Amino acid sequence: GAVVSQHPSRVICKSGTSVKIECRSLDFQATTMFWYRQFPKQSLMLMATSNEGSKATYEQGVEKDKFLINHASLTLSTLTVTSAHPEDSSFYICSAAPETMDAETQYFGPGTRLLVL
Amino acid sequence: QKEVEQDPGPLSVPEGAIVSLNCTYSNSAFQYFMWYRQYSRKGPELLMYTYSSGNKEDGRFTAQVDKSSKYISLFIRDSQPSDSATYLCAMFQSGTYKYIFGTGTRLKVLA
Repeated sequence: GAVVSQHPSRVICKSGTSVKIECRSLDFQATTMFWYRQFPKQSLMLMATSNEGSKATYEQGVEKDKFLINHASLTLSTLTVTSAHPEDSSFYICSAAPETMDAETQYFGPGTRLLVL
Repeated sequence: QKEVEQDPGPLSVPEGAIVSLNCTYSNSAFQYFMWYRQYSRKGPELLMYTYSSGNKEDGRFTAQVDKSSKYISLFIRDSQPSDSATYLCAMFQSGTYKYIFGTGTRLKVLA
């Protein structure tokens, strides 16, 4: 199956700093990428949908100025958590969908665990 | 009411048992139904998907959808310790490209 990578897999940072997470589709071009957040023992919650070359669409309650998303190419999307606080500690997962997206062709990355001290 | 409800478990079963995992949903516009398996600290991986009422079988896994009751199930036959993971149901409405996930059910298969 298609491969989506995330980097870093784990990051620890101090409160107030910014953290960038990369999501790459390795063997296909991803027209659309999705960013999810998952708190312990909770479901994946969609944060935003990004389309290559255009602004991301954020879900209700997600601060677009805090979670900056850039989908600069068909294989790379980045999520920057600005001025991170301990409550931003979570598991961030991206998924990528090729241009001809069917329901089953949204491929998930391995996730990035963020710990803000 | 949440759009998708799933019992978080944990569910512990002996090796070889048949496991039944379930989700209910409230949005009748959902057209696609998926089951994902997520190991600890990993991203979810797609197990099965279906878009019509009825059963779909793949090896030891059977996905069942009952649209009239808004109820989906995943059955695992001859469960193995390697099946121990969190199982998430997800639903999808064509045109929205948004997956709505259940909370996931933690399954532990005891050797």
